[in-house]
Amino acid sequence: EAGVAQSPRYKIIEKRQSVAFWCNPISGHATLYWYQQILGQGPKLLIQFQNNGVVDDSQLPKDRFSAERLKGVDSTLKIQPAKLEDSAVYLCASSLEGLAGNYEQYFGPGTRLTVT
Amino acid sequence: AQSVTQLGSHVSVSEGALVLLRCNYSSSVPPYLFWYVQYPNQGLQLLLKYTSAATLVKGINGFEAEFKKSETSFHLTKPSAHMSDAAEYFCAVSGRGGGNKLTFGTGTQLKVEL
Repeated sequence: EAGVAQSPRYKIIEKRQSVAFWCNPISGHATLYWYQQILGQGPKLLIQFQNNGVVDDSQLPKDRFSAERLKGVDSTLKIQPAKLEDSAVYLCASSLEGLAGNYEQYFGPGTRLTVT
Repeated sequence: AQSVTQLGSHVSVSEGALVLLRCNYSSSVPPYLFWYVQYPNQGLQLLLKYTSAATLVKGINGFEAEFKKSETSFHLTKPSAHMSDAAEYFCAVSGRGGGNKLTFGTGTQLKVEL
């Protein structure tokens, strides 16, 4: 069974530029998550999708971050414009379900973003 | 709000020694608790999870954790460390009925020395 796929693996941009990350979850997983992991910290949830609807985006900086999962499968996370503090690893995860609280989340390898 | 605190950002043990990584949780309702491991340049992998079926949870690679409600703890242990255990370990909590959102601790970097 293929795991969670993410691309690109690495990205370097200048501040005020825009960037997009792509995630393809495990086949059949209804729930998709985007996490931001800043160096030295644990991952922080940015947004959670259940199929193509948003369950939780309370920690997503909506003035610059956006995410979509139009067909309920793969997802794109965009940052526009980027700030220096956006430098982090962006992790995508998926799970079979996402409402009960005990479903295992499977993580992709992440995209390491460096903003200069 | 739920949270977890991991004591010790860096832990060093000798190969063959006991591994003990500490995690304390804060939750107003009985939580689900998880331990994840992250190797360099990789995503997180689930080691084990507590969902109230049993207080002593066994996971992969010889790791186990015990849920202690009286101490609000969920410490991760392994009787004998191996060089391949060197990685970063994260404790995480999620709520019941409130979605599957994970709140992570700040992580503990485990170093295994010869």
